[in-house]
Amino acid sequence: KAGVTQTPRYLIKTRGQQVTLSCSPISGHRSVSWYQQTPGQGLQFLFEYFSETQRNKGNFPGRFSGRQFSNSRSEMNVSTLELGDSALYLCASSALGQGNEQYFGPGTRLTVT
Amino acid sequence: DAKTTQPNSMESNEEEPVHLPCNHSTISGTDYIHWYRQLPSQGPEYVIHGLTSNVNNRMASLAIAEDRKSSTLILHRATLRDAAVYYCILRYPVGGSQGNLIFGKGTKLSVKP
Repeated sequence: KAGVTQTPRYLIKTRGQQVTLSCSPISGHRSVSWYQQTPGQGLQFLFEYFSETQRNKGNFPGRFSGRQFSNSRSEMNVSTLELGDSALYLCASSALGQGNEQYFGPGTRLTVT
Repeated sequence: DAKTTQPNSMESNEEEPVHLPCNHSTISGTDYIHWYRQLPSQGPEYVIHGLTSNVNNRMASLAIAEDRKSSTLILHRATLRDAAVYYCILRYPVGGSQGNLIFGKGTKLSVKP
């Protein structure tokens, strides 16, 4: 099976712009979670989607949003970018009944200038 | 989620066993113990998980204390490829939800040739 894929892998944006990141889960996985990783804060949970519904949400401002499509692919959007949004954004997928282990993609490296 | 405590860093020699400790004194009866690792420039990778009994898989073994207040991830023969940050995480299985992973700082494992 192909692993979790994320596009783009690298992105440079300017403060105030918005950005959309994409994640394709492992085939058959219905749950997709997003995480932000920075040197200062480490890995932090953003949100989780299951069957096109947001099931859990982390402690991030409303500028961070996401959605999931009927084929389980997911996107996350960050509006009005700030310098502090520079981070590695990781997507993980999971299949129910498999011990809930999550399979992570390689991430999207976002740099905000 | 209950908290875990891990050493910041550990060193090992190649081809020797490595024991990575994790303390979780406030663990609840239904918390699963999960281990993930993150190799440099990659997303986290699932290693192993357990509830009460010791667990083995092709990557590692997980030894869980009888009172479940601590656990140890065992790499039987460390290789250079095992150099990574290892995260010990407690997860409450909310029905079929994968919920979210609360990552701490983890243990940075260095492997010397």
